[in-house]
Amino acid sequence: DQQVKQNSPSLSVQEGRISILNCDYTNSMFDYFLWYKKYPAEGPTFLISISSIKDKNEDGRFTVFLNKSAKHLSLHIVPSQPGDSAVYFCAASDDDFGNEKLTFGTGTRLTIIP
Amino acid sequence: DSGVTQTPKHLITATGQRVTLRCSPRSGDLSVYWYQQSLDQGLQFLIQYYNGEERAKGNILERFSAQQFPDLHSELNLSSLELGDSALYFCASSVGLFANTGELFFGEGSRLTVL
Repeated sequence: DQQVKQNSPSLSVQEGRISILNCDYTNSMFDYFLWYKKYPAEGPTFLISISSIKDKNEDGRFTVFLNKSAKHLSLHIVPSQPGDSAVYFCAASDDDFGNEKLTFGTGTRLTIIP
Repeated sequence: DSGVTQTPKHLITATGQRVTLRCSPRSGDLSVYWYQQSLDQGLQFLIQYYNGEERAKGNILERFSAQQFPDLHSELNLSSLELGDSALYFCASSVGLFANTGELFFGEGSRLTVL
């Protein structure tokens, strides 16, 4: 049962354009969402997060949007740069106090075309 | 460099065998998490230790076990290996108990191939 879904395995975007990565979830108890970025031969690194009490969080070129009613979040990268080429994982944690684990999606491979 | 060290980076073994994956967390981090990434799968949470104690369990098979030692390094033991156990195994660490702060630091992973 995949509670966090990234339906696009891959995405190609021209350099300088906007990259939009999508993530859907099924567990309504999820209340905190994160994006991790992974380069080949490296572990994932934390990128940006959002709490369920917000609908938007911005950090430089990266913005995460949350639509709780649709159980959908997205990561926008503007403008896209070649160094953004990586696999992006969406992750979520639920409402348990002291939640110790994250549920990850399957990832989207983003390729920025120079 | 995340500061989390995993060994070995690559391991090839046969079905029925037993292997041990090792993880050294970042200096000062008390929590260690193990995740499994199989082909076309997301990162599946296996288990978490905090300061030597098991804290949370995910979809970890009974053939798998883990422990965290007094020096805070952790080992993941995989036994009676099957072809389906072939995967990338990640260790992550954090200062505190909770994964949802985003402050999870991942190692580079150990790629296990079972033939």
